[in-house]
Amino acid sequence: RKEVEQDPGPFNVPEGATVAFNCTYSNSASQSFFWYRQDCRKEPKLLMSVYSSGNEDGRFTAQLNRASQYISLLIRDSKLSDSATYLCVVSSYGNKLVFGAGTILRVKS
Amino acid sequence: DGGITQSPKYLFRKEGQNVTLSCEQNLNHDAMYWYRQDPGQGLRLIYYSQIVNDFQKGDIAEGYSVSREKKESFPLTVTSAQKNPTAFYLCASSDRMIATNEKLFFGSGTQLSVL
Repeated sequence: RKEVEQDPGPFNVPEGATVAFNCTYSNSASQSFFWYRQDCRKEPKLLMSVYSSGNEDGRFTAQLNRASQYISLLIRDSKLSDSATYLCVVSSYGNKLVFGAGTILRVKS
Repeated sequence: DGGITQSPKYLFRKEGQNVTLSCEQNLNHDAMYWYRQDPGQGLRLIYYSQIVNDFQKGDIAEGYSVSREKKESFPLTVTSAQKNPTAFYLCASSDRMIATNEKLFFGSGTQLSVL
């Protein structure tokens, strides 16, 4: 079993839609959680950290469920520019980060 | 502007050849990392360094080597022992080894292909 698992998608949604991704992790001792965004063949960029109480940044909401060991990302009012791959990232032993394979989002007009 | 610079953007390797990917940062970060990304897979850690003159193997270090002689530089050599080197290589840095909510800064990547 992979340490971090994501649905690869693609999620094809119309502009204005609300879309949610989940990511499961296997290391119950993980302390840090992030969502990164990666455009095709470019470097990943931090979208948001995920806090225990859940957090929001504009149209983006991230949540953490420690009991079930998953994190989620909700995007409201999707824009064409949201089209990208979303990487779930979780801290592991020795403070190393483990990256999920990513979920592809395609927003269409 | 502060950031991480990777070069070259594209690199071609002949069989049996060693090639070196450059990574330079001017963020004054202590920690630097090399990742490999293959299609449909997450980033996998090759090597990391928490401080000058020290580095540690990541999950897939075989066939690779690194050095950290200067704080700002962390070059990666892909040796001939790496039999499947074709991938997208990403260098990253952070202020210190990843702690809670520490942010990773990435370079723009190097696409390595085998001729």
